[in-house]
Amino acid sequence: GENVEQHPSTLSVQEGDSAVIKCTYSDSASNYFPWYKQELGKGPQLIIDIRSNVGEKKDQRIAVTLNKTAKHFSLHITETQPEDSAVYFCAASSGNNDMRFGAGTRLTVKP
Amino acid sequence: NAGVMQNPRHLVRRRGQEARLRCSPMKGHSHVYWYRQLPEEGLKFMVYLQKENIIDESGMPKERFSAEFPKEGPSILRIQQVVRGDSAAYFCASSPSGTITGELFFGEGSRLTVL
Repeated sequence: GENVEQHPSTLSVQEGDSAVIKCTYSDSASNYFPWYKQELGKGPQLIIDIRSNVGEKKDQRIAVTLNKTAKHFSLHITETQPEDSAVYFCAASSGNNDMRFGAGTRLTVKP
Repeated sequence: NAGVMQNPRHLVRRRGQEARLRCSPMKGHSHVYWYRQLPEEGLKFMVYLQKENIIDESGMPKERFSAEFPKEGPSILRIQQVVRGDSAAYFCASSPSGTITGELFFGEGSRLTVL
């Protein structure tokens, strides 16, 4: 089955700096790669996703890149703000009801 | 349009008791997934259900755990004879289709504490 690894486990940045979180996956059949944000005491919420036919996707301060050959994808947050502080999860799915999540990255943005 | 509703939000049980966690998916969603999150860890897949059917239970322990999604009513995750290691947050997610190439909508979780 799919195995997703995520790094780093914790990340601390100054407000205004960029944050990058990286994930690798094992199943070459995976074709859908979402990123979820989980705030304290809440359930995860989708913030951006990318499909295998696209190499990069951007939504305001958030961007995701995908390298299918190397089986890795990354989340980039620019101009970070304190409200970006949360736990971020990457996930991968081949569409066979097999969505698997990374272990999460706790991002802290210091004002 | 209400989101995914989970209850109870917090549940305390003593070792050996039973825990029942309920999940009502978003309106129009007939596919439900349960995930377990241990403190400071990621989301571990447990089970995927459609109405009245278990599609994939490969992540669920073979003993003491069961799940159902009846034709009427919420999905239920049942843990019998709970042990301290069952203490975790249990998240339910729903989707409108069975092929996961789209967003999963998560509830706010049920936090189980076993004393």
